[in-house]
Amino acid sequence: DGGITQSPKYLFRKEGQNVTLSCEQNLNHDAMYWYRQDPGQGLRLIYYSQIVNDFQKGDIAEGYSVSREKKESFPLTVTSAQKNPTAFYLCASKASGRADTQYFGPGTRLTVL
Amino acid sequence: QQQVKQSPQSLIVQKGGISIINCAYENTAFDYFPWYQQFPGKGPALLIAIRPDVSEKKEGRFTISFNKSAKQFSLHIMDSQPGDSATYFCAASRETSGSRLTFGEGTQLTVNP
Repeated sequence: DGGITQSPKYLFRKEGQNVTLSCEQNLNHDAMYWYRQDPGQGLRLIYYSQIVNDFQKGDIAEGYSVSREKKESFPLTVTSAQKNPTAFYLCASKASGRADTQYFGPGTRLTVL
Repeated sequence: QQQVKQSPQSLIVQKGGISIINCAYENTAFDYFPWYQQFPGKGPALLIAIRPDVSEKKEGRFTISFNKSAKQFSLHIMDSQPGDSATYFCAASRETSGSRLTFGEGTQLTVNP
């Protein structure tokens, strides 16, 4: 089955620790995105990548880092510099071209203890 | 700032009724307007989308109405069903921006049986 997988589904972290969230897609999509979702605030863009080895900051990139070494993978690291990391994190991907449908993964819920 | 304002924040409708969710945008360069449906603990899924060259698009019980001059668009759910209970997000993007979506704050729809 084609789709986007995110792991783990739930993640707990102690303050001061970095943590990496996984996102893999087998849709052969060029573009990938990371969003953060908080109650009542919709989805906010953290980082996005339109091609391998290239990525751009979104609206709330501070305290996060990404890499795009492979087309199918776009991991997100939540660093200790992120002051309020507890949230639901969503990864999405999109094919190149005019069709703008972004397909979302199931999400990772990160809780900082 | 490229904002999308969504209302209402929550909506309760009786089974068989019409659900209406409204969005307004500021950036006239936006050229793609999708609606996403999200169930608790899941990633959003594309429901229906429209481009500004048409004023209305219908897919089954779901209709988008688009008013370019007012910079507003809305989602109408006809014959609402309890299974439609979910959070709905409007969004907007422009092709030249890497197709990064700007989301509204979301509407939590409850359809009572």
